[in-house]
Amino acid sequence: EAGVVQSPRYKIIEKKQPVAFWCNPISGHNTLYWYRQNLGQGPELLIRYENEEAVDDSQLPKDRFSAERLKGVDSTLKIQPAELGDSAVYLCASNSMGGPETEAFFGQGTRLTVV
Amino acid sequence: QKEVEQDPGPLSVPEGAIVSLNCTYSNSAFQYFMWYRQYSRKGPELLMYTYSSGNKEDGRFTAQVDKSSKYISLFIRDSQPSDSATYLCAMSYTNAGKSTFGDGTTLTVKP
Repeated sequence: EAGVVQSPRYKIIEKKQPVAFWCNPISGHNTLYWYRQNLGQGPELLIRYENEEAVDDSQLPKDRFSAERLKGVDSTLKIQPAELGDSAVYLCASNSMGGPETEAFFGQGTRLTVV
Repeated sequence: QKEVEQDPGPLSVPEGAIVSLNCTYSNSAFQYFMWYRQYSRKGPELLMYTYSSGNKEDGRFTAQVDKSSKYISLFIRDSQPSDSATYLCAMSYTNAGKSTFGDGTTLTVKP
């Protein structure tokens, strides 16, 4: 069974440019998470979806970040415009709705470098 | 002060050693305690989780939670070079909510 798939794996952009990350969760997983992991730190939740609904986006910087999960499957996270401080690894995770978040499965992440 | 503090490391041990990884936390409302392993340039993978206080064992790994001291530990017995990774502790209030992660401890097991 395929795990959580993220693309691209790496992205280098200039500041003020837009960037988008894509996530395909494990088949049948209704809950999807986007995390940001800064170098030397643990992941921090940006947004959590239950199917198409964003149920927790309190940590998402809404002035420049947006996310969508059309049809309750794939998800896209966008930054516009990117800032130097956005350089980090963006992780997507998923699990079954109602299942413990403790059993979420992570993708390999997208490593963003803003120059 | 962060809600979850993790011994920063890095930690380097010889193969076969017993490894102890530790986290402290400040919020007594945490009920679920997790340990993740993260290899370089990979996403975290769940090793174990524990509900409330007590011990849980899985092969060479043992997780301990002491809620009275707000302290959790992960022990690795007979450590192997393949255990070399960053270990993240994480905690949550419920089993379906947001997890708060520590910053990780990088472990190197030398052959």
